[in-house]
Amino acid sequence: EVHLLESGGGLVQPGGSLRLSCEGSGFIFSVYAMTWVRQAPGKGLEWVSTIGGGGTRTYDADSVRGRFTISRDNSKDTAYLQMNDLRHEDTAVYYCARGVGVLANSRYFDNWGQGVLVTVSS
Amino acid sequence: QSALTQPASVSGSPGQSVTISCIGTSNDIGAYDYVSWYQHHPGKAPKLIIFDVNNRPSGSSDRFSGSKSGTTASLAVSGLRAEDEAHYYCTSYASGSTPVVFGGGTKLTVL
Repeated sequence: EVHLLESGGGLVQPGGSLRLSCEGSGFIFSVYAMTWVRQAPGKGLEWVSTIGGGGTRTYDADSVRGRFTISRDNSKDTAYLQMNDLRHEDTAVYYCARGVGVLANSRYFDNWGQGVLVTVSS
Repeated sequence: QSALTQPASVSGSPGQSVTISCIGTSNDIGAYDYVSWYQHHPGKAPKLIIFDVNNRPSGSSDRFSGSKSGTTASLAVSGLRAEDEAHYYCTSYASGSTPVVFGGGTKLTVL
């Protein structure tokens, strides 16, 4: 059974940093692109970042480009989201999702984690 | 502002059918047959219910069906049940620097 488990969330001050992890199990991790999607309070889902299975191709939303970095360690079956210079508007539940497609281009996301809460506040 | 446009809310009585629209552009929905739909209950992980416009993954109810015409995709839910009450999101493969675009979400209320 495919399982995705996020960790690393918490309370951080504006301007601070946080690293989220997403550990996969039940599948060959390196074959799949991984994506981070977030949901701010009262808002809809927002795509954040995607990384291809090999880790060389990445995409970032305009809202986080230059501040967030997606990466992965296939030897640990884990994807990461390094979040720097955090802002109030980054407060959200962050989900990782497994993408089905070609390289880093996902046609759809067939499995999602339960999400981890990131709160940016002083 | 989301890249794909969905109605904020739809509603229907148990047993009825509803349709949720998802309007895109020639760079996403209009260009690719890679529209997917997700059901999201509060506090839970989003669940894939339709992929590649009109395909259901294993475990997705056959009361869900998808379609596409031009730059508009649609999700139909038939035989409404109380458990269908949730938010629904469409996404599409896209060209350019953004590989995927999301809709703003639609709250389905079962009256």
